[in-house]
Amino acid sequence: SQKIEQNSEALNIQEGKTATLTCNYTNYSPAYLQWYRQDPGRGPVFLLLIRENEKEKRKERLKVTFDTTLKQSLFHITASQPADSATYLCALDSPGSNYQLIWGAGTKLIIKP
Amino acid sequence: DADVTQTPRNRITKTGKRIMLECSQTKGHDRMYWYRQDPGLGLRLIYYSFDVKDINKGEISDGYSVSRQAQAKFSLSLESAIPNQTALYFCATSDLTDQPQHFGDGTRLSIL
Repeated sequence: SQKIEQNSEALNIQEGKTATLTCNYTNYSPAYLQWYRQDPGRGPVFLLLIRENEKEKRKERLKVTFDTTLKQSLFHITASQPADSATYLCALDSPGSNYQLIWGAGTKLIIKP
Repeated sequence: DADVTQTPRNRITKTGKRIMLECSQTKGHDRMYWYRQDPGLGLRLIYYSFDVKDINKGEISDGYSVSRQAQAKFSLSLESAIPNQTALYFCATSDLTDQPQHFGDGTRLSIL
């Protein structure tokens, strides 16, 4: 079955630097992949969606790439700020689950002033 | 007001009790979902609904049931709660399956 791997260790980044988070999957390539942000005590909030025929997607300081050869998506936050500190989740569609999303456990990002 | 509202936000109950978690949305979306989140694990899908007449089991439906009372309302029930159902439960909606999901702020459920 499809598995999603996100770094379980927290990522500590200095303010102003670029933060890069990784999402790896193990089997088939999904038709699309989504990234969400989750703050403590809150539900996930959608950030970006990238489809299999897209290499890169940008939104303000956020950039997502999708490499079907490496079976990997990278999520970048440029000019990071302490307010970017949160847990970031990736999710992708799964034919084995009737094309519903399956989710990674998330990576906690800490931006230090 | 929140687009997706879950009630209650917190609930502590005992083993064997029947519990209902409620979700309502103002986004006008047809698709609604129930997930549970456990520490160190990704969100896992319990049930999902494409419309009021279409209910589907997700990855971990055993021990749970749902009711789609209207387009805007989707409730999750635990008929006889057990301690390993202690978790954070989220309701979500989407316009289409391949579109972003919109989440409520969750219900923290503890079963003693």
